[in-house]
Amino acid sequence: GQQVMQIPQYQHVQEGEDFTTYCNSSTTLSNIQWYKQRPGGHPVFLIQLVKSGEVKKQKRLTFQFGEAKKNSSLHITATQTTDVGTYFCAAGSEGTGTASKLTFGTGTRLQVTL
Amino acid sequence: NAGVTQTPKFQVLKTGQSMTLQCAQDMNHEYMSWYRQDPGMGLRLIHYSVGAGITDQGEVPNGYNVSRSTTEDFPLRLLSAAPSQTSVYFCATKSLAGVYEQYFGPGTRLTVT
Repeated sequence: GQQVMQIPQYQHVQEGEDFTTYCNSSTTLSNIQWYKQRPGGHPVFLIQLVKSGEVKKQKRLTFQFGEAKKNSSLHITATQTTDVGTYFCAAGSEGTGTASKLTFGTGTRLQVTL
Repeated sequence: NAGVTQTPKFQVLKTGQSMTLQCAQDMNHEYMSWYRQDPGMGLRLIHYSVGAGITDQGEVPNGYNVSRSTTEDFPLRLLSAAPSQTSVYFCATKSLAGVYEQYFGPGTRLTVT
């Protein structure tokens, strides 16, 4: 089945530093979603990217979808302690339609200290 | 609106016991799914359903059964629990129109001894 690699597994930053997590697939994706899971919580949807080369911003978060639709990144500018959690990408396969199953990456756990 | 609810929150089973994890939603979403989350392995899809009466297998279906008799409910059955099924289980739903954002329930933490 489809595999989605996510790196790094873990990152520890000082508050105010930037953070980036990367998601890579060997196959072309129809879309990619990003989720955030706070410690002890459940995943919460952040955004969906569909178009090749798409860039979307949400305040300090910037999401990119690669030109070949095989990779994506999430960049957080000037991290805050409220950014702590695990960030997952979730990939939908090309050609599987609106009910496409999502394959989740293994996640990047972000720790932010003062 | 309660959104997606799961019961129980915690459960301890002995090897060989059976149980049902409950998932209910009040958002009228067609699509419902079950994931398990294990350390370092992300979320893996167990079973999913695109509507009442329709179910299909995900990535790790062995040892689990599902049925979908109504739009609102999607129970997950463990027929004979094994220690390898110790995990956190999440139910998720989404509409089949629009952005396809998945809404997750709060999860059930299951320990099999």
